[in-house]
Amino acid sequence: GENVEQHPSTLSVQEGDSAVIKCTYSDSASNYFPWYKQELGKRPQLIIDIRSNVGEKKDQRIAVTLNKTAKHFSLHITETQPEDSAVYFCAGSDSNYQLIWGAGTKLIIKP
Amino acid sequence: EPEVTQTPSHQVTQMGQEVILRCVPISNHLYFYWYRQILGQKVEFLVSFYNNEISEKSEIFDDQFSVERPDGSNFTLKIRSTKLEDSAMYFCASALRQDTDTQYFGPGTRLTVL
Repeated sequence: GENVEQHPSTLSVQEGDSAVIKCTYSDSASNYFPWYKQELGKRPQLIIDIRSNVGEKKDQRIAVTLNKTAKHFSLHITETQPEDSAVYFCAGSDSNYQLIWGAGTKLIIKP
Repeated sequence: EPEVTQTPSHQVTQMGQEVILRCVPISNHLYFYWYRQILGQKVEFLVSFYNNEISEKSEIFDDQFSVERPDGSNFTLKIRSTKLEDSAMYFCASALRQDTDTQYFGPGTRLTVL
């Protein structure tokens, strides 16, 4: 079955700098890759997603890239702000349409 | 914007007791899911549900778990005989389609088993 690995587990960046979180997946049949942001005690909120027929997608300060050959995808946040501090999860949809989640990255934005 | 809702927000129960967690998915969605998140860990898939039956379930979803859509709006997760290790946040999610479609999450129910 699908396995999703996520790195780093914690990422600390200066406010205004960029943050990059990387994920790899194992199932070449996976075709949907969402990113969720979870603030402490809250529900996961979808921030961006990408489908396997697209290599890159951007929404304002957030972008996701997908390399199907290498089976990895990344989240890029530019001009980070304090409200970007949260735990970010990547996920991959396996051949049974289950969302398999990464372990999460705690993003800390330093003022 | 419509949202998935869940009740209760926090459930405390004694080990061995049965609990029912309730979810109201987004009204025109057809696919429903339960996930579990143990404190500080990743979200884990439990089960997916479509057309009044289970589509997929994970290894976690053993015989003590069951799901039901008792009416046109509610989607429930029952844990028959709770164990200490069932303590977690349980999230319900719904989606309009199954393949490559966004799953919208509810606020979660924090289950504490004593």
